[in-house]
Amino acid sequence: ELKVEQNPLFLSMQEGKNYTIYCNYSTTSDRLYWYRQDPGKSLESLFVLLSNGAVKQEGRLMASLDTKARLSTLHITAAVHDLSATYFCAVPPTGNQFYFGTGTSLTVIP
Amino acid sequence: DTEVTQTPKHLVMGMTNKKSLKCEQHMGHRAMYWYKQKAKKPPELMFVYSYEKLSINESVPSRFSPECPNSSLLNLHLHALQPEDSALYLCASSQARDYGYTFGSGTRLTVV
Repeated sequence: ELKVEQNPLFLSMQEGKNYTIYCNYSTTSDRLYWYRQDPGKSLESLFVLLSNGAVKQEGRLMASLDTKARLSTLHITAAVHDLSATYFCAVPPTGNQFYFGTGTSLTVIP
Repeated sequence: DTEVTQTPKHLVMGMTNKKSLKCEQHMGHRAMYWYKQKAKKPPELMFVYSYEKLSINESVPSRFSPECPNSSLLNLHLHALQPEDSALYLCASSQARDYGYTFGSGTRLTVV
């Protein structure tokens, strides 16, 4: 059974601090995706990681992928309140059918 | 047009009703998907329509039935639903693996 696990599930952090969210998956996949979801809203694409060693950065967020370790990280630098949301990683082990991680609910406290 | 449009945005239905959710995209994407998301949980794949072939998650009950009239439309027909089917239903489309999904805004379904 495919498992996509995120750590932590809940994260409360102060503005200005740094933190990393981890995404581990149990099957082979050469790519991984990160999404953001605001409460009551749909999912917004953040990063598309297409190969081992891929690193993408957008603003205060940086994502990386290690396909050999089956691990992706989402690093938050100098958090601001606007980053409060739930973050999902997603893995397409076959074809283009995504399996989503357990999600990380992030709250940034002023 | 870079959007996936879902209608309606909200739906309340009784357990004996028949209703349909609609999803439309005009990006030329060849694959479309239905996901179900319960509160504070990740989206779960229900159906995939890719290159005119339908794939079904076998755990999805038969009271949900997808229909793809053409490559731009993906409907989800609902019949005799249960209260536990209340959830956010998300439609997505994709052109190829490299590009990920584009999600619609979702339909918030409540079964009473």
